[in-house]
Parts: sequence; structure tokens; C-alpha cells
Amino acid sequence: DIQMTQSPSSLSASVGDRVTITCRASQSIGTYLNWYQQKPGKAPKLLIYGASSLLSGVPSRFSGSGSGTDFTLTISSLQPEDFATYYCQQSYTTPRMYTFGQGTKLEIK
Amino acid sequence: QVQLVQSGAEVKKPGASVNVSCKASGYTFNGYYIHWVRQAPGQGLEWMGWINPNSAGTNYAQKFQGRVTMTRDTSISTAYMELSSLRSDDSAVYYCARDEGPYQGYVYWGQGTLVTVSS
Repeated sequence: DIQMTQSPSSLSASVGDRVTITCRASQSIGTYLNWYQQKPGKAPKLLIYGASSLLSGVPSRFSGSGSGTDFTLTISSLQPEDFATYYCQQSYTTPRMYTFGQGTKLEIK
Repeated sequence: QVQLVQSGAEVKKPGASVNVSCKASGYTFNGYYIHWVRQAPGQGLEWMGWINPNSAGTNYAQKFQGRVTMTRDTSISTAYMELSSLRSDDSAVYYCARDEGPYQGYVYWGQGTLVTVSS
């Protein structure tokens, strides 16, 4: 099975900061990598798919990059509503087995 | 609009089974796989498996093999996830999600169903 490892597990930042979260796959997954945002008590929301494609309606301050085994999610200027937990997910394996990273909790400093 | 509406919260005793439903609307049910993901309290997201509503084909995470069964009823556009031999560590929120395809992840999610396993 492909393992997904995110870092850091938690992060404190201030409004206006630029933040980067990384995700590493245990083997190459091309660009079959998705990023989700989850707030307490809510279902996750898809932000980025295909490693770098921004879902329609998602603010442009979110961006994704990477391929192979190393990926990043960047928030260019943190807004108050961005404080949440972020998960990466690989969707490479066949048959489909869409495993998640362990999550990164982004907190207000 | 696309909606996935799940059944309500459940409380089960250890060793029992739980059946969670996910009713789809706003699209052609047979056209998209339905995946199930769970989240234990304070923990991360855990992928459980999927069902292809068109063929009823399934694929389960190895961790749940032998305990999980995913089915569907196309006449009412509803997918089901049954988990048996429940343990306390199965207490979690269970989500269904529509698979947009391997390159696109899950745009649409159910609201989640809390399953509590307690004696």
C-alpha cells in the first residue's frame, strides 16, 4: 500500500503569513494527489486535485505543486477562515485505494 | 444539485453490526463510484473502500476485509456500508463521498454519520 506522510503535523501561523504544508508518498504517484480542508464537525472540502489544479470557487491564495513523491500545499496569505486541518490524498493506485495523509492542523499564533 | 444524504447517528454494542446509508440525488447514481471514509474522534481520515453502483463491484481497504460490506440499491439511488463485529475503536464519523475519478478526488460528501460503539 502507498503511505502518505504529511509535515508538519501541526503549525501555528498568523493572519497574512505564507504557509507551506508538505506531503510525501512512499512511492511515485505522478500527480494523482488531492488536498482537502476540514473544519471541526464538517465534512472535508476539496481544494486542489491533480496536484496543482484549483477546484472552481477555491480562493487563489491556495496553490499546489509537486509530482512523483513530493508535494506541497501553499497558502499565500492566511485568512482567518483558513485555520483548519489539511489532508493530502493519493488517488494513483489501481484498483482505486485513495489513502490519506495523517493531516496538518493549522492554528492561529 | 448533487447531494449525498446519510442516515442518522447509531449507538451499537460491541460485536453488533451497523448499516449506514447514503442517498444520492441530483445526478445519475450509476455514473460515479461511492467511497466510504471514516474519522475517529480527534483523528484523521481513513479510507475504507468503494462501490461501483453500476456493477456493484467493490474494493475494500485490507484493514476492513471480512468485516465491511458495501452494497447499493439503484432503484432508490442509495449506497450502504455495513460494518460487523463492531469494537469500541470503530466509534467514528462515517462519510460517503462521490468519486469524480482518479484525477479529481471527492467534491461531494455526505454529512457524516456518527457511530458510537459502547457497552
